[in-house]
Amino acid sequence: EIVLTQSPATLSLSPGERATLSCRASQNVSTYLAWYQQKPGQTPRLLIYDASNRATGIPARFSGSGSGTDFTLTISSLEPEDFAVYYCQQRSNWPPLTFGGGTKVEIE
Amino acid sequence: EVQLLESGGGLVQPGGSLRLSCAASGFTFSNYAMSWVRQAPGKGLEWVSGLSGSGGYTYYADSVKGRFTISRDSSKNSVYLQMNSLRAEDTAAYFCATGGRLSGSYYYFDLWGQGTLVTVSS
Repeated sequence: EIVLTQSPATLSLSPGERATLSCRASQNVSTYLAWYQQKPGQTPRLLIYDASNRATGIPARFSGSGSGTDFTLTISSLEPEDFAVYYCQQRSNWPPLTFGGGTKVEIE
Repeated sequence: EVQLLESGGGLVQPGGSLRLSCAASGFTFSNYAMSWVRQAPGKGLEWVSGLSGSGGYTYYADSVKGRFTISRDSSKNSVYLQMNSLRAEDTAAYFCATGGRLSGSYYYFDLWGQGTLVTVSS
């Protein structure tokens, strides 16, 4: 099973600041990695797929990068609606599909 | 409107059974692989099970293998999760999900149901 480790667990930032979230895979997943955003009481929303492709309707301030075992989600300038929990997920070697433990982006 | 709607959750005793349903609408259901993903209260996401569009291929997380069974009825545009031998650690919101509309892969989830809560407790 591929384990995805996200860091940090919590990121405290202010609106307008840049957020950098990390996801590390226990094995090479090539670029078969996605990022999701989840707000309280809502279902997850797909942001990025195949490591760097923005899903339809996702603002350009969200970007993904990386390949192999190290991946980054960057939010260039935080908007108030971006404060949420973010998860990475791999589909390289499955079953099982696996998710990271999440990074909470909170208002400082 | 494109949507998934789950039902069937509830309170069940340890060792009991429950069958979850997910009704799809607004898209050609038979073309899409489907999955169940769960989220324990206050915790992260865990993929539970997946099923090919044809229904011929099924996949399970080790934590549920042998206890849960996924199936689909394309005539009803529905996918099901039969859960047997339930344990306290199965307590979670269960979401059905699929992908491929925004990402080119059924296994990046761009469509989620609202979830149904399963509580396993005596």
